Amino acid sequence: GEDVEQSLFLSVREGDSSVINCTYTDSSSTYLYWYKQEPGAGLQLLTYIFSNMDMKQDQRLTVLLNKKDKHLSLRIADTQTGDSAIYFCAEEDSSYKLIFGSGTRLLVRP
Amino acid sequence: DTEVTQTPKHLVMGMTNKKSLKCEQHMGHRAMYWYKQKAKKPPELMFVYSYEKLSINESVPSRFSPECPNSSLLNLHLHALQPEDSALYLCASSQDGTAATNEKLFFGSGTQLSVL
Repeated sequence: GEDVEQSLFLSVREGDSSVINCTYTDSSSTYLYWYKQEPGAGLQLLTYIFSNMDMKQDQRLTVLLNKKDKHLSLRIADTQTGDSAIYFCAEEDSSYKLIFGSGTRLLVRP
Repeated sequence: DTEVTQTPKHLVMGMTNKKSLKCEQHMGHRAMYWYKQKAKKPPELMFVYSYEKLSINESVPSRFSPECPNSSLLNLHLHALQPEDSALYLCASSQDGTAATNEKLFFGSGTQLSVL
C-alpha cells in the first residue's frame, strides 16, 4: 500500500531556514501537499505541487519535488516562532484519497 | 466564509452514552469528510460524503454513524464507544471530492473526544 514517511522532529533558530523532508511511494500521485497543524487546531493547507513540476515557490515557502526518488521537501525561509507546528506531507492515492505522513514537529527557537 | 465549524470543541462521554459531533460549512462544497486523529499521529480518513451520499466508509465500526442532512451539515453519531476511540475528530470539506484536481481540503478545528 501507499506509504508516506517523514522525520519526526526538526529544531531551528529563528531567522534560519527550515527544510522538512518527505518520501512517498505512489508514483501515480497527481498532486502532493503540505499541511500545517498548530496545537489544538485542524490542518491548514500550506501549499501543493503538481507532479510534473520540480519546484514551486510561494512567498517564504519553496517546495521541491524529485519524482525519480519520490522525495518531496518544504523549505521555509526566515523561519519565525509562529511557524512552530506539525507539518504533514500528503499524497493522493489512486482513488484520490489523501495519505498523510506521520508529521514533522518543527520547533523554532528564539 | 472559508470556515469549517465543528461543535463541540471538547467532549467527554461514558461508554454507554450517545452523543453527536456536528460540522458545518457554507462554502458551497459538496464533499465532506470525517477524519480521526490520535495524538502524535496523522489524520486517518473515516467517511466521505459526496453530494450528500456516503461514498467512502473506511471500514469504520458501526458505533460511529455518519449523517449528512444537507450539503452544509455533517454529523457523526456516537454510541457505545470504547476508551481507545478517544481522539481528535476532524471534519473537512472540498469542492466535490470526485476528481484528482488540486482540490483544497478545508479542515475544522476538530472535536477532542475523551471516552471514559
